[in-house]
Amino acid sequence: DSGVTQTPKHLITATGQRVTLRCSPRSGDLSVYWYQQSLDQGLQFLIQYYNGEERAKGNILERFSAQQFPDLHSELNLSSLELGDSALYFCASNVGRTADTQYFGPGTRLTVL
Amino acid sequence: AQRVTQPEKLLSVFKGAPVELKCNYSYSGSPELFWYVQYSRQRLQLLLRHISRESIKGFTADLNKGETSFHLKKPFAQEEDSAMYYCALSGIGAGGTSYGKLTFGQGTILTVHP
Repeated sequence: DSGVTQTPKHLITATGQRVTLRCSPRSGDLSVYWYQQSLDQGLQFLIQYYNGEERAKGNILERFSAQQFPDLHSELNLSSLELGDSALYFCASNVGRTADTQYFGPGTRLTVL
Repeated sequence: AQRVTQPEKLLSVFKGAPVELKCNYSYSGSPELFWYVQYSRQRLQLLLRHISRESIKGFTADLNKGETSFHLKKPFAQEEDSAMYYCALSGIGAGGTSYGKLTFGQGTILTVHP
């Protein structure tokens, strides 16, 4: 599958813990975007990386951080987890030039108990 | 600040009826508008974007800058159109470069009954 992949599919953890979500972009894509989808907030942009560098930031909490590695995969780190962090986390990718279509991964469902 | 509003959470129509999913936006610069769709158990995918001005699966959408709207329309709905539809906005800066990030509306669940 040459599309965007995300692991794990599901994650269940406890409050106060730390987790790492992983995203592999489509082959050839340089930009990775992270979005959070929750019932009350809808789909919200968190952060964008382009070729290893942070390019744009949305309403991302200080407890959350991300990075993009030389092989262009990205990781989203969520720490000191709270119940309200339970959500579906999507990764998307594109080439990164002007107004490209974004291609979405299947998402990681995080449940914080 | 960017904002996208989809006033209808749920929309039900019968097969063969026209359908219109509403989308209004707020953005001080030059917007680029998209419709994304998520079919059951599938990932979010692009349906159409305003700059391409093409019709996909019979859907069209026209950007109305005066009314700041980008409503999605289809003259004859099909059962396979049942899905969640998201309107999204990306800003365009000087020189035509996109800011990349998407601001999504809350989504509309469309159900087409047989």
